[in-house]
Amino acid sequence: GIQVEQSPPDLILQEGANSTLRCNFSDSVNNLQWFHQNPWGQLINLFYIPSGTKQNGRLSATTVATERYSLLYISSSQTTDSGVYFCAVTNAGGTSYGKLTFGQGTILTVHP
Amino acid sequence: EAQVTQNPRYLITVTGKKLTVTCSQNMNHEYMSWYRQDPGLGLRQIYYSMNVEVTDKGDVPEGYKVSRKEKRNFPLILESPSPNQTSLYFCASSLQRLAVYEQYFGPGTRLTVT
Repeated sequence: GIQVEQSPPDLILQEGANSTLRCNFSDSVNNLQWFHQNPWGQLINLFYIPSGTKQNGRLSATTVATERYSLLYISSSQTTDSGVYFCAVTNAGGTSYGKLTFGQGTILTVHP
Repeated sequence: EAQVTQNPRYLITVTGKKLTVTCSQNMNHEYMSWYRQDPGLGLRQIYYSMNVEVTDKGDVPEGYKVSRKEKRNFPLILESPSPNQTSLYFCASSLQRLAVYEQYFGPGTRLTVT
């Protein structure tokens, strides 16, 4: 099956800093999503971004499908950005576009 | 309010005692899915459903059953739970039109099997 690798595994920032999280995948995809899991366990969808660039406030994401990676940018980080960030993909060559594979996540800690 | 609800939120049970975790969404989404989250293993898909009466296996379906008789509900059934099914379970839903779009997650169900 498709492999999804996220980096870095852990990231510690001071409030106000910028960061870039990366998601590499081993095969072509027709779906890529970024999620944030807050310290209370709640999972929130950030972006549906199989290709191109999107922005939502301080967050933006870019997927370069031909090179098999996606980047999540967090600018002017805040303590509420802390948590785990996951990317998940669906293999374009797979039998069903409903089957999602998650990366292992990046644990982000933002200190005040 | 658009939401995905799961019940129960917490459950402690014993090996072999059948249980059902319910999942319901009020957004008229076609797609629903179940995931389990374990330390060091991330989120793994158990089963998913593209629409009513259509279900498919994810990466870790062993020991689980699902059904999709109505669009809004997608229960997860553990016929004979075992300790290795102790985990945090999430249900999710989304629109789907030749792709699965933004997923909305339930609050999670923490299951302990002793």
